[in-house]
Amino acid sequence: DAKTTQPTSMDCAEGRAANLPCNHSTISGNEYVYWYRQIHSQGPQYIIHGLKNNETNEMASLIITEDRKSSTLILPHATLRDTAVYYCIVRLTTDSWGKLQFGAGTQVVVTP
Amino acid sequence: EAGVAQSPRYKIIEKRQSVAFWCNPISGHATLYWYQQILGQGPKLLIQFQNNGVVDDSQLPKDRFSAERLKGVDSTLKIQPAKLEDSAVYLCASSLEGAGGQFFGPGTRLTVL
Repeated sequence: DAKTTQPTSMDCAEGRAANLPCNHSTISGNEYVYWYRQIHSQGPQYIIHGLKNNETNEMASLIITEDRKSSTLILPHATLRDTAVYYCIVRLTTDSWGKLQFGAGTQVVVTP
Repeated sequence: EAGVAQSPRYKIIEKRQSVAFWCNPISGHATLYWYQQILGQGPKLLIQFQNNGVVDDSQLPKDRFSAERLKGVDSTLKIQPAKLEDSAVYLCASSLEGAGGQFFGPGTRLTVL
């Protein structure tokens, strides 16, 4: 599986958009980009995933560059409850059993 | 829809004792996963089941860890004997087949003294 690179930490002001970058320069054509987050003392929570098109759901938007070597997760209006560790993961689509490999993630702190 | 259930939430044991964790996945989810998360690190996959068969247990320390999923629903993870380095949160997750997301339970925090 391709590896990802994320900043160790980020701060964001409440009510502003939070833009979380992720580099996956060795991603291959059959690998999806997934985002999860983990709030303190809870299990990870699935946010969104995409292959090459931008995706949006009720939680966030995922922007994938045309060359697929990087992506950005956008939380449109950050709240204090969005404080968490955010994980960017690439996953083989040929791996039909859904294996995920978590890195260290980005610690996002939303401040009032 | 009920989420992934795990028990117990917390467990404290002494080294060389045994311990077992239980997981009930989301109804209808064929795939079940056990992860180990050491403090400050991301979760690491220990074992993955498809129905009641093992798909991937390459990172399971088989000399002390075992897991089963009877009837393709509930699952148990056992450690015998426990070591100090087994102190971690043990997470269970489940998913449908395909490219969809995995859904995680709250985890069991294990402390080995």
